[in-house]
Amino acid sequence: QVHLQESGPGLVKSSGTLSLTCAVSGVSISGLNWCSWVRQSPGKGLEWIGEIFHSGSTNYKPSLKSRVSISVDKSKNQFSLQVRSVTAADAAVYYCAMGSIPGDFDYWGQGTLVTVSS
Amino acid sequence: EIVLTQSPATLSLSPGERATLSCRASQSISTYLAWYQQKPGQAPRLLISGASNRATGIPARFSGTGSGTDFTLTISSLEPEDFAVYFCQQRSNWPPYTFGQGTKLEIK
Repeated sequence: QVHLQESGPGLVKSSGTLSLTCAVSGVSISGLNWCSWVRQSPGKGLEWIGEIFHSGSTNYKPSLKSRVSISVDKSKNQFSLQVRSVTAADAAVYYCAMGSIPGDFDYWGQGTLVTVSS
Repeated sequence: EIVLTQSPATLSLSPGERATLSCRASQSISTYLAWYQQKPGQAPRLLISGASNRATGIPARFSGTGSGTDFTLTISSLEPEDFAVYFCQQRSNWPPYTFGQGTKLEIK
């Protein structure tokens, strides 16, 4: 059974860096899997942030590309998200998601709420 | 960026009735469309991929049709557990993948 679990600080200071990790169990990231981060806020709905393949190849939403990094740690079977220079607009529930095809989100984590403080 | 427009925003129906949800893309996306169900406090769950292929474990009352710019999710006979928010999502033209704004299916 595939299980994804997000972890990281729930409160980030404005202008700081948001860092989250997604621990994966039940499937190997080293297999044919694309790993994504998606966020959801009341004002913007569901927003795809970016993805990484196990090889390290990445794609990002163009409007976020300058502030976002996604990395993978195959030895720990997990992948991570960093968002730099956060503002109130970055407050959201952040989900990690995976699929065998780019853009197919077969599996999702439960989500983690990130609040941005001033 | 491809914009997905879902209609209606809210759909009020009774258990046993048929639900028809629409998703329109701002340009052709072939059949690169998925549908998700989301209940309060939960992550989205994949229902349909490739416009018409049910995901593993999804009941047969859920069906998807369409290609190009117009897509439909149909729930043939609503069960109490089907009342939720439904999102469409495209993976044709990326980055970025994009989602519709959602249709809330509520009990009448």
